[in-house]
Amino acid sequence: KQEVTQIPAALSVPEGENLVLNCSFTDSAIYNLQWFRQDPGKGLTSLLLIQSSQREQTSGRLNASLDKSSGRSTLYIAASQPGDSATYLCAVRSSGDKLTFGTGTRLAVRP
Amino acid sequence: NAGVTQTPKFQVLKTGQSMTLQCAQDMNHEYMSWYRQDPGMGLRLIHYSVGAGITDQGEVPNGYNVSRSTTEDFPLRLLSAAPSQTSVYFCASSTGDSRVRGYTFGSGTRLTVV
Repeated sequence: KQEVTQIPAALSVPEGENLVLNCSFTDSAIYNLQWFRQDPGKGLTSLLLIQSSQREQTSGRLNASLDKSSGRSTLYIAASQPGDSATYLCAVRSSGDKLTFGTGTRLAVRP
Repeated sequence: NAGVTQTPKFQVLKTGQSMTLQCAQDMNHEYMSWYRQDPGMGLRLIHYSVGAGITDQGEVPNGYNVSRSTTEDFPLRLLSAAPSQTSVYFCASSTGDSRVRGYTFGSGTRLTVV
């Protein structure tokens, strides 16, 4: 059974800092990995999707990497802003048509 | 705007009542699924569908029914609500090759069972 872990569970940083969020998964036989953002009381917004054959994806200040063999992904946020404050979720698509989610990292960026 | 639409956004039920959570997508996605989100447990898959007329159980299906009569709609039914079903429910849809497929989520339904 696929299990996804996100560390740390919560993170507070000053504005402007670069930061890394971590995601690990137990079964390396994945199709893709997707990073989401969730604001309080809101739905999930897709940030980046990395296919199993890819090593990284970039969108603006966000960069996600994937090391399938070690079961790890990182989300790098450059020059963090207060508007980046949210919960970040990673989800792995493995066998079947199912996503397995981590429990998320709650990020607070202090002005 | 194209996307996944969930109704209602909020609902309070009494124990034993029944209701249907609606989910509709206008992107012609063949894959649709329902998740529940509980504090400290992440999102867990309830039921999913790979196309009209085809549904299957996810990780936590007990107490929920689904059907998929059209590509666009995937309603989730609670036949006899229980306090343990208090949660936030998300519907998601997807299409495309499994290697590149990403999921689009609705904005959620917050359900409280008293």
